[in-house]
Amino acid sequence: GAVVSQHPSWVICKSGTSVKIECRSLDFQATTMFWYRQFPKQSLMLMATSNEGSKATYEQGVEKDKFLINHASLTLSTLTVTSAHPEDSSFYICSAYPGQGTDTQYFGPGTRLTVL
Amino acid sequence: QKEVEQNSGPLSVPEGAIASLNCTYSDRVSQSFFWYRQYSGKSPELIMSIYSNGDKEDGRFTAQLNKASQYVSLLIRDSQPSDSATYLCAVDTNAGKSTFGDGTTLTVKP
Repeated sequence: GAVVSQHPSWVICKSGTSVKIECRSLDFQATTMFWYRQFPKQSLMLMATSNEGSKATYEQGVEKDKFLINHASLTLSTLTVTSAHPEDSSFYICSAYPGQGTDTQYFGPGTRLTVL
Repeated sequence: QKEVEQNSGPLSVPEGAIASLNCTYSDRVSQSFFWYRQYSGKSPELIMSIYSNGDKEDGRFTAQLNKASQYVSLLIRDSQPSDSATYLCAVDTNAGKSTFGDGTTLTVKP
């Protein structure tokens, strides 16, 4: 149980284009989903907290107009990197939090984004 | 001071030895603590969660929590080469939101 999927697992795009990453909780409902970014040999950096049906809460320094988050249902959140640039190349990981008596968040497998 | 600090690595131990990973945190009200293992190029996977002072054992892994001293540790007994990975300490701050340490890279040499 507690499986989270991400799609795509990797993507290469040209500079200036937009890329959408999907995060799905497959066997549970997630009241909250988190989006992280990880550069090589660095730790996870929380980008934003996404709650179903409400606006995402972005961490300091993360541009909300560049990283659009939509949490349309209790099993799906999407992150869109708009007007991507090479410096946006990174490993993007989502996690899903079921709530309801647990503090555990379940991570997706991650999406490797390369912007040329 | 970082909110979650881990002992700087990399840490190298011979196969069969005990690997000890340490973590300190600054927020005294934190109640939930986690250890994740992350292989290169992969996302983190949960190894242990601990909520009460003392030890919690799961197979070769033992998590230790001392809230008074604000530290949490992870011991890996009988270390195997497959344990070679980066270990992330995380402290829950609010409703599932965690603060992660920078990680300690462990290498287990055959």
